[in-house]
Amino acid sequence: RKEVEQDPGPFNVPEGATVAFNCTYSNSASQSFFWYRQDCRKEPKLLMSVYSSGNEDGRFTAQLNRASQYISLLIRDSKLSDSATYLCVVDSYGGSQGNLIFGKGTKLSVKP
Amino acid sequence: SAVISQKPSRDICQRGTSLTIQCQVDSQVTMMFWYRQQPGQSLTLIATANQGSEATYESGFVIDKFPISRPNLTFSTLTVSNMSPEDSSIYLCSVEIAIPHEQYFGPGTRLTVT
Repeated sequence: RKEVEQDPGPFNVPEGATVAFNCTYSNSASQSFFWYRQDCRKEPKLLMSVYSSGNEDGRFTAQLNRASQYISLLIRDSKLSDSATYLCVVDSYGGSQGNLIFGKGTKLSVKP
Repeated sequence: SAVISQKPSRDICQRGTSLTIQCQVDSQVTMMFWYRQQPGQSLTLIATANQGSEATYESGFVIDKFPISRPNLTFSTLTVSNMSPEDSSIYLCSVEIAIPHEQYFGPGTRLTVT
């Protein structure tokens, strides 16, 4: 089983749509969870950390379900500028300090 | 966050040669890391660059192939030695500033080995 699995994508949605990405992780001891965004030929950029209680940042909402080892990201009112690859990232608790496990990413394309 | 720069931004190298990549941060950071992102793949941690001591390598990566220096808290280098086409990849440095595991990445070095 892969350590971090994401929806394969790509997601092609119209502007204004709501889109949800899902992610599962295998290490039940993981403590830190993130969503990163990676534009084509650019470095990953931290979008948001994911907290146990769930958190919201503008149009973006992240949820964590520890029992199911499941993380989600919801984007409301999609903009053209949201087009990117979204990476689900989990710490490898018990592994090297600072070691993050990256999912392969889900590509989002928002069309006019 | 922090401002992170990498040099070179890209390079095309011949098989058997070595390339040293530099990573510079605009503030002192304790934790600094080197990652690789192969074409179509996600990021894989190569090693943690430790200031004042040898780097900590992940499984599958060795010091002879990827020597790392960390002379101070704002700078690190990664060398890709005796390159082969399989080393063609994007190499990224990252730093952890305040919140554990919350990492910020440099712009990456795109390496092509012919």
